[in-house]
Formats: sequence, C-alpha cells, structure tokens
Amino acid sequence: GAGVSQSPSNKVTEKGKDVELRCDPISGHTALYWYRQSLGQGLEFLIYFQGNSAPDKSGLPSDRFSAERTGGSVSTLTIQRTQQEDSAVYLCASSRPDRGAGNTIYFGEGSWLTVV
Amino acid sequence: GQQLNQSPQSMFIQEGEDVSMNCTSSSIFNTWLWYKQEPGEGPVLLIALYKAGELTSNGRLTAQFGITRKDSFLNISASIPSDVGIYFCAGQFKTSYDKVIFGPGTSLSVIP
Repeated sequence: GAGVSQSPSNKVTEKGKDVELRCDPISGHTALYWYRQSLGQGLEFLIYFQGNSAPDKSGLPSDRFSAERTGGSVSTLTIQRTQQEDSAVYLCASSRPDRGAGNTIYFGEGSWLTVV
Repeated sequence: GQQLNQSPQSMFIQEGEDVSMNCTSSSIFNTWLWYKQEPGEGPVLLIALYKAGELTSNGRLTAQFGITRKDSFLNISASIPSDVGIYFCAGQFKTSYDKVIFGPGTSLSVIP
C-alpha cells in the first residue's frame, strides 16, 4: 500500500484479556518495527523483523508480548493477559534498508490501546 | 549502549520566530532522521541525512548531519501555528542490522 497501515486504530479492552494489533507495511519493505509510546513519552523500541524473522526482540517488555510476521509482509503484535500499564499507542514502522542510502523508517498512525 | 539526547526538551515561541533544536550522542551514527508527531498521529518523516556534513532543506526546515557523526540539528524558520508538535531525532547505527534509535523528543508550542 501507499503507507503503513495499522488496525485497529483504537481498542479498549478489559484487564486480563488478550489483544492482537495488526500492521501492514509499505509494499516492498523488508524491515518492520514495533514501538510503544506511552502518554507524553518517547518511542520505546519493542521488536524488529527482517523478512519473517525477528533478529532483535530485545524491547519486548515481558513474555506476555509476542509478535509474528508472515509472508514477509503483515505483522501481528499480541499482548496476552493485558494489564493497565499496557495502555499506550503501539506504532508500527517499515523500511527498505539500503546500505548505499541508509535506512529510512516510515510509521503508521498507531493503534491506541486502553486497558480498563 | 547508544543513546540520543535532544534539547531543548520543550519550547514556547512566538509565531514568526526561528527555532533551533539539536540531537547529540556519544556514539557515531550512519544516518540521521528527523520526525514530527502531531497529537493523535504517528511520527512523520521530515528530513533524512545520510552523509557527515550534509545540509538538507525541506521548505522552512533545514537539518544538518554533524561532521563528527555524533550530532544533528534541525532549524525551522519563520514558525507558524501548524509547526506545533513533538520533534524526534533518530540515528541509525550498525549492529547485526541497521538499527535505528530515537531521541526523547522536543515539544514545540507556537503562540499566534
């Protein structure tokens, strides 16, 4: 697609429920990132995909968080047994790393998660 | 590990004034990126810098990749109310992949 697409744009869930957030990257972008942004805060790195593999999962805050990517395209971030502190905007980004030109990341508009 | 510092943390300026913000690190980066985030939106890329010393403009915005590769600045000339938002710098460095990290952001408010 023309840009990074995320769904749902807003999600309110009850504490303890599982949620899935979806990201559809820009067509042809092999790299995909998930970030988390709490209210008024900066961007917290969660996980990086190159193709379908995740060589960097160092930012996932706990084992309740997992992500997968299939077909080198769509990615799903899953949060199990949600807690109130999981409330944040979850931002997906993609890029087409080019060692000649650098790595420019493009963001989606985010999925706003509220855990009540 | 690599970390980016942005200053100032926040700015309140009059419409028409010029703005300058910068990003520094003790580490060397290969690429510098500047993003703007408006309320309720994802960050939008403003300027990308790929070579040390590079000076790039995008309308009223000008950014430079520091010669030491450890810093970058962003200037906005003749600010307008729609410049309001949070400006993030980001730097790319080599690990097992081209990792990108973000600064904490500079919040800009423009008083009409």
